[in-house]
Amino acid sequence: GENVEQHPSTLSVQEGDSAVIKCTYSDSASNYFPWYKQELGKGPQLIIDIRSNVGEKKDQRIAVTLNKTAKHFSLHITETQPEDSAVYFCAADYSSASKIIFGSGTRLSIRP
Amino acid sequence: NAGVMQNPRHLVRRRGQEARLRCSPMKGHSHVYWYRQLPEEGLKFMVYLQKENIIDESGMPKERFSAEFPKEGPSILRIQQVVRGDSAAYFCASSPGAVGAEAFFGQGTRLTVV
Repeated sequence: GENVEQHPSTLSVQEGDSAVIKCTYSDSASNYFPWYKQELGKGPQLIIDIRSNVGEKKDQRIAVTLNKTAKHFSLHITETQPEDSAVYFCAADYSSASKIIFGSGTRLSIRP
Repeated sequence: NAGVMQNPRHLVRRRGQEARLRCSPMKGHSHVYWYRQLPEEGLKFMVYLQKENIIDESGMPKERFSAEFPKEGPSILRIQQVVRGDSAAYFCASSPGAVGAEAFFGQGTRLTVV
């Protein structure tokens, strides 16, 4: 079925350390994997995405990796800062069903 | 270029009333998605629309809920005879193409049923 699992549900890291969030998906036909950041009281904001024809993508302190064989993809945030504190959602497209399915979210807290 | 605009931002309805939520997509975007988010939970897909067409409504309850995206004007999510369990944040996202194109979200409408 259509399912995206996300771990961990909460994550606390020291400022300056790295944070990693992992997701798995079930549809082998999925080709598009966006990541969203949601701050309190706001809508989700697209921060980075990756497509199935690449294994890794970087944008400054943020990187995503994709393992299509294992159906895993991960978000890596390096040199974390207080403003990185938010809820992060992974997602995958289910092209056969014309929709994007979201993981359950990871609440990231950065300790000063 | 304005982002995805949703209104109202907050909506209070009494049980049994109707709620109408509006979403104006980004300029040039003809694809709209609606999601529901309960407090402390993730985003649950409701419906995917293109101009004048419902493409996928598999996540929308069969009764009381409807959505449209007319040729002119915003997309509308309508909830009839609201119940307390409908209280949630409803988010709209738009994209320039089908699934696989980047989707951008609005700020959401927070519906409270009293």
